[in-house]
Amino acid sequence: DTAVSQTPKYLVTQMGNDKSIKCEQNLGHDTMYWYKQDSKKFLKIMFSYNNKELIINETVPNRFSPKSPDKAHLNLHINSLELGDSAVYFCASSHGGLQQYFGPGTRLTVT
Amino acid sequence: KQEVTQIPAALSVPEGENLVLNCSFTDSAIYNLQWFRQDPGKGLTSLLLIQSSQREQTSGRLNASLDKSSGRSTLYIAASQPGDSATYLCAPGSFGNEKLTFGTGTRLTIIP
Repeated sequence: DTAVSQTPKYLVTQMGNDKSIKCEQNLGHDTMYWYKQDSKKFLKIMFSYNNKELIINETVPNRFSPKSPDKAHLNLHINSLELGDSAVYFCASSHGGLQQYFGPGTRLTVT
Repeated sequence: KQEVTQIPAALSVPEGENLVLNCSFTDSAIYNLQWFRQDPGKGLTSLLLIQSSQREQTSGRLNASLDKSSGRSTLYIAASQPGDSATYLCAPGSFGNEKLTFGTGTRLTIIP
């Protein structure tokens, strides 16, 4: 059973397009996160949601919008994609400040 | 603003040796600290979580220590194996929002 899953695993798209990445966790956790890992492998948090409420919103362009329909899902929608958005995006979840469990990542390539 | 440094950036050791990976962070007001491993092209696997009130945690051949006041953590790997080859990431978590700040990682290669 996959604890934290993301779809798609790979996403190749052109500049200017709008795309979404989906994340689901079956661990019963109350907090979910989105992280971005750039080409230099540096990993940085973008957003976190606790019980569907936005908790962390780092300095991320407005083109990025997280949506949490329920506690088990946190989707990331990106408008007007740019070359610099190319990266690996990781979803994670945790409960009560304990260990964060990461999904397998979505490799986004913008051409 | 929390900054995390991991030294060395890369390390190669022969199989069977014990080794230590270092992590330092600038803001000692942390809630916890996690160590992860990342295999090439894969996601992150949580190895150990140390709460701010703890000094160390052990799991199998891994032992992580935390010295919050000096802003340091170490990950000790005993009897290294080729399967331990990966990038190891340290991430202290901040109070209130559980935000993890990641270091740049140490790329470990175990030579058979």
